[in-house]
Amino acid sequence: DAKTTQPPSMDCAEGRAANLPCNHSTISGNEYVYWYRQIHSQGPQYIIHGLKNNETNEMASLIITEDRKSSTLILPHATLRDTAVYYCIVRVIQGGSEKLVFGKGMKLTVNP
Amino acid sequence: NAGVTQTPKFQVLKTGQSMTLQCAQDMNHEYMSWYRQDPGMGLRLIHYSVGAGITDQGEVPNGYNVSRSTTEDFPLRLLSAAPSQTSVYFCASRQPGVGKLFFGSGTQLSVL
Repeated sequence: DAKTTQPPSMDCAEGRAANLPCNHSTISGNEYVYWYRQIHSQGPQYIIHGLKNNETNEMASLIITEDRKSSTLILPHATLRDTAVYYCIVRVIQGGSEKLVFGKGMKLTVNP
Repeated sequence: NAGVTQTPKFQVLKTGQSMTLQCAQDMNHEYMSWYRQDPGMGLRLIHYSVGAGITDQGEVPNGYNVSRSTTEDFPLRLLSAAPSQTSVYFCASRQPGVGKLFFGSGTQLSVL
């Protein structure tokens, strides 16, 4: 149970902002939202995470709705190297243990 | 700083053979985990460990064994390989309470 829903794919023009949506309507109050991406068959790479406030780092921005049921990852100026599968993940805490459960993700294609 | 190191990168087995996928990390992370990734699928959690001497099952543990005798190492054992275990395997580590996973570069396993 991935607890998140993403569209299977999205296209974006190079140089434009890429807005990647994610629904997590069953998220609990203490569960964080994490974003990872996987380029080709490499190991996934951490991008950003947040609880309820918007977050920004050198890679991206994360906007979380006030009700926390959805979020958007923003790549401000997409490049061809941003073409990858992006995973939106909720860190699940069960019985004292915690896990990151990856779904199928969303394929972002940045076009020249 | 090597991060998470997986060996081998590629392996071909015959049905019924056994082997161990190696994973080592040099970041003193307490938490380590194994994922498998099949074509068109996301990552599925096989086993994880929250510290030396402690392991637990993930989503798809059948056919795999793990042990955690040291903080640094978390080997994954296939006792009797089956074609259904053909996949790419990723090892990952992090500190507890933090969802930022560091992934290895993966092991591509084919079982004939």
